[in-house]
Amino acid sequence: DQQVKQNSPSLSVQEGRISILNCDYTNSMFDYFLWYKKYPAEGPTFLISISSIKDKNEDGRFTVFLNKSAKHLSLHIVPSQPGDSAVYFCAASAVTSSGSARQLTFGSGTQLTVLP
Amino acid sequence: GAGVSQTPSNKVTEKGKYVELRCDPISGHTALYWYRQSLGQGPEFLIYFQGTGAADDSGLPNDRFFAVRPEGSVSTLKIQRTERGDSAVYLCASSTGVGYGYTFGSGTRLTVV
Repeated sequence: DQQVKQNSPSLSVQEGRISILNCDYTNSMFDYFLWYKKYPAEGPTFLISISSIKDKNEDGRFTVFLNKSAKHLSLHIVPSQPGDSAVYFCAASAVTSSGSARQLTFGSGTQLTVLP
Repeated sequence: GAGVSQTPSNKVTEKGKYVELRCDPISGHTALYWYRQSLGQGPEFLIYFQGTGAADDSGLPNDRFFAVRPEGSVSTLKIQRTERGDSAVYLCASSTGVGYGYTFGSGTRLTVV
């Protein structure tokens, strides 16, 4: 039972265009969401996050949108660059009342290829 | 060190053998996590340490898997009687708190033959 789903295993976009990566979740207890980028033979690298009290968070070329009613989030990259080519993982967490760190539940990833 | 260090980077072992995987987290990070990533999947949670104690080990698949963090810094993931299904990349991450995102190491690729 996958609680975090990335239904597109791959995505190709032209350099300079917008990349939109999607993620759906089923657990309504999740209240913090993150995106990670992974290059081959490296560990995932934290990219951007969003709390459930927000619907948008922007950091440079990267914007994450959260639609709680639809249990859906997306990562927008604009403009896309060839160096953005990597596997992108969506992850979700439920924070305890004490605010202690908790495990993340990851999606299966989307391979983004930005074509020059 | 500046990042999370995992050793070895690659490990090939025979079925039934015992292996130890080491993780050296970022200095000062009190939270440490082990994840396992199989081919074509996202990382799956194994165990989480807060300081020296295992705060959550609900992701360990069975009692062949065990992890320690005796001094609240370096952690070792131990796998007994390895099986071919244990083959995966084992990722370690450390953090100061959930809001900051984890920092992952590059992982140990374990292959059981």
